[in-house]
Amino acid sequence: EAGVAQSPRYKIIEKRQSVAFWCNPISGHATLYWYQQILGQGPKLLIQFQNNGVVDDSQLPKDRFSAERLKGVDSTLKIQPAKLEDSAVYLCASGPAGVTSYGYTFGSGTRLTVV
Amino acid sequence: AQTVTQSQPEMSVQEAETVTLSCTYDTSESNYYLFWYKQPPSRQMILVIRQEAYKQQNATENRFSVNFQKAAKSFSLKISDSQLGDTAMYFCAFRDSGTYKYIFGTGTRLKVLA
Repeated sequence: EAGVAQSPRYKIIEKRQSVAFWCNPISGHATLYWYQQILGQGPKLLIQFQNNGVVDDSQLPKDRFSAERLKGVDSTLKIQPAKLEDSAVYLCASGPAGVTSYGYTFGSGTRLTVV
Repeated sequence: AQTVTQSQPEMSVQEAETVTLSCTYDTSESNYYLFWYKQPPSRQMILVIRQEAYKQQNATENRFSVNFQKAAKSFSLKISDSQLGDTAMYFCAFRDSGTYKYIFGTGTRLKVLA
């Protein structure tokens, strides 16, 4: 099966600019996650979708970050305006519906550099 | 709140040797799952091995095995017959049975030396 697709792979922007990341999960996967991974740290969950509804966005900085998952398939994560501390890798992951012991599938991420 | 601690920021091992990566966690839950993920320079997180907390038997996947000590809240990863392709960041992750959210440790950078 095809994996989780993310684009772009790299992005460099100036602070205060806006940026958007795109994620296409594995076909049929109801659950989709966005994680932020700052250099030297483990990934941190930003938002979790179940189909097109938000399950958990408690760690999403809502003053500047937004995410949507229209039609329960693709998802976009937006940052506006970007700050220097937003420099990180943004990982998307997807998994089947229902709590499962199996791990979820991650994409290769988008590396964002804010200058 | 659950936490995951990896106390070894970097490790190295000679090719064909065995290495053990440490992970401890803290939770008040009794039913949960533990994972080890590998992240090579390509950045994709790859599942290495998983363990259900209710299972006493340690999980094994080919050259990878875990030492799960539930009472001590310890979950170490042993890599046998290390290969150059094992060079990567390794993350320990926790997920309780009631949520979908992973809690990751800070990672251990493993370098396999030729």
